[in-house]
Amino acid sequence: GEDVEQSLFLSVREGDSSVINCTYTDSSSTYLYWYKQEPGAGLQLLTYIFSNMDMKQDQRLTVLLNKKDKHLSLRIADTQTGDSAIYFCAESIKNTDKLIFGTGTRLQVFP
Amino acid sequence: GAVVSQHPSWVICKSGTSVKIECRSLDFQATTMFWYRQFPKQSLMLMATSNEGSKATYEQGVEKDKFLINHASLTLSTLTVTSAHPEDSSFYICSARVPGDVTDTQYFGPGTRLTVL
Repeated sequence: GEDVEQSLFLSVREGDSSVINCTYTDSSSTYLYWYKQEPGAGLQLLTYIFSNMDMKQDQRLTVLLNKKDKHLSLRIADTQTGDSAIYFCAESIKNTDKLIFGTGTRLQVFP
Repeated sequence: GAVVSQHPSWVICKSGTSVKIECRSLDFQATTMFWYRQFPKQSLMLMATSNEGSKATYEQGVEKDKFLINHASLTLSTLTVTSAHPEDSSFYICSARVPGDVTDTQYFGPGTRLTVL
């Protein structure tokens, strides 16, 4: 079955870069996504990448996709305290409406 | 664009009562909405896919008679937790897709925290 794994926790100093990693198993995924969840809130879409792309950059966010290794990463440049949240990667499953979510990575930014 | 709201934000109810949660797409019409459940410090678990004008499709292990879903209009889906028990306490989140969006992106509501006493 589909399985999406993430490391549980990441702690970085304010101003440094953060890299959150994700591995997935379904090679037929068409799109992969990064969502941010702040405490007690819903999920906010940060960015997405089409499966035939290697990289996508959007302001402070850079997404890298290694389709061969089924590895997705999100790099946040100049990390701020407001970036502290849980980050979920997700993959869309071909020919279904479903998204499969990763386990989530809690990012903590300290001054 | 693509804003999804939920009501209420939180609700406390007594065991045995039923609770209705609303999910609305505010600036688009959503033929398909999704209901998720999230336990503390865990990921989202898809409960069901709600289709406007037809029956919801439930995931394996989700009791359809306990979690009633009604998608009566293109902007509203409701989840009713019937005869709620403490183990139903959770964070319920809905999402919706914009018709014609080839990226399959789901836009999420802010969630509803249900506490059953």
